[in-house]
Amino acid sequence: DGGITQSPKYLFRKEGQNVTLSCEQNLNHDAMYWYRQDPGQGLRLIYYSQIVNDFQKGDIAEGYSVSREKKESFPLTVTSAQKNPTAFYLCASSIRTQGTGELFFGEGSRLTVL
Amino acid sequence: GENVEQHPSTLSVQEGDSAVIKCTYSDSASNYFPWYKQELGKRPQLIIDIRSNVGEKKDQRIAVTLNKTAKHFSLHITETQPEDSAVYFCAGDTGFQKLVFGTGTRLLVSP
Repeated sequence: DGGITQSPKYLFRKEGQNVTLSCEQNLNHDAMYWYRQDPGQGLRLIYYSQIVNDFQKGDIAEGYSVSREKKESFPLTVTSAQKNPTAFYLCASSIRTQGTGELFFGEGSRLTVL
Repeated sequence: GENVEQHPSTLSVQEGDSAVIKCTYSDSASNYFPWYKQELGKRPQLIIDIRSNVGEKKDQRIAVTLNKTAKHFSLHITETQPEDSAVYFCAGDTGFQKLVFGTGTRLLVSP
């Protein structure tokens, strides 16, 4: 069954702790993305990667870090420097690296900071 | 950078009515405008998109129009059904894989 898998679905963390959200895809897509979704604010781009071992900051990268060591995987770390980390995080992938194509989203991870 | 504004934030219609959601964008270099539908508790999914060399595109009950001069595009849903109830997001892209999304419209279709 092809698609994008995010884990965990729900995550709770104490203030000051780093947490890593997993994103794995078996669609053979080159491009992968992380978005943050807050009520009334739509989807905001955190980081994106068009190729293995390369990634770029999106509009709200502060307090986040990513890696792209494998084509299939694009984990997101929410660091203690992120001032308001409670949110719904969506990972996506796209077959295109030039121009724009359809984004395929995972089911999301909801992070709550206690 | 690109800025996409979306209106209205909520829209309630009766089943069978039409629904229109409007978006404006700021970057004249944007050339791709997709619409995503997110049902409650589910992932966003692409429902229709349009590129800047086309003024209108239809897919059954859904259509999108684009006015490049005015820098706005709209989603039209005809003969709405309860299963159309969802949050709809518009987006714009200048072609560098950086989609900028609108803030979303919650559509409620009442039977």
